[in-house]
Amino acid sequence: EVQLVESGGGLIQPGGSLRLSCAASGFTFRSYLMHWVRQAPGKGLEWVSRIISDGSSATYADSVKGRFTISRDNAKNTLYLQMDSLRAEDTAVYYCTRGGGHSDWGQGTLVTVSS
Amino acid sequence: QSVLTQPPSASGTPGQRVTISCSGSSSNIGSNTVNWYQQFPGTAPKLLIYSNNQRPSGVPDRFSGSKSGTSASLAISGLQSEDEADYYCATWSDSLNGWVFGGGTKLTVL
Repeated sequence: EVQLVESGGGLIQPGGSLRLSCAASGFTFRSYLMHWVRQAPGKGLEWVSRIISDGSSATYADSVKGRFTISRDNAKNTLYLQMDSLRAEDTAVYYCTRGGGHSDWGQGTLVTVSS
Repeated sequence: QSVLTQPPSASGTPGQRVTISCSGSSSNIGSNTVNWYQQFPGTAPKLLIYSNNQRPSGVPDRFSGSKSGTSASLAISGLQSEDEADYYCATWSDSLNGWVFGGGTKLTVL
């Protein structure tokens, strides 16, 4: 069974940094492209970033470009999202998803940016 | 404002057929396949339809998807109370070089 478990969320002040993790199991992690998708409270889904299977290439939404960095450790079956210069509008539940079509989702981790 | 346009709400009575539309452009829906996701309150989204009209295993055949030009649709036949949820369409955008989602449609079963 595919499992994606996010962690690392919490309350952070504007301008601060946070690193999210997504532990993957139940599939061959190193073979899959992975994404981060977020959902602000009461709002819709917003794609944040993706990274290809070997980690050599990543793409970002304009809203986070230059502030967020996606990475992965295929030896540890873990996906990361380094979030710097956080803003109030980054407040959201962050989900990691598997594959080109987001076939599987984690339960999400809440990031709250507030002073 | 979402790149893909969905009606904010839809409704139907049990047993009815309901459709939810998703409108885009030539650089997104017009040139890529569409997925649909179902989300219940407080839970993660779940893939419902992929590649325009394919159902992952376990998804009832009451759910179907279609695409024509720069628009896509999700149809739910034999509507059931447990179908009450939010539904999102999504696809890749060639112009934005990223995924785009619709704003979501809240389906109410009357």
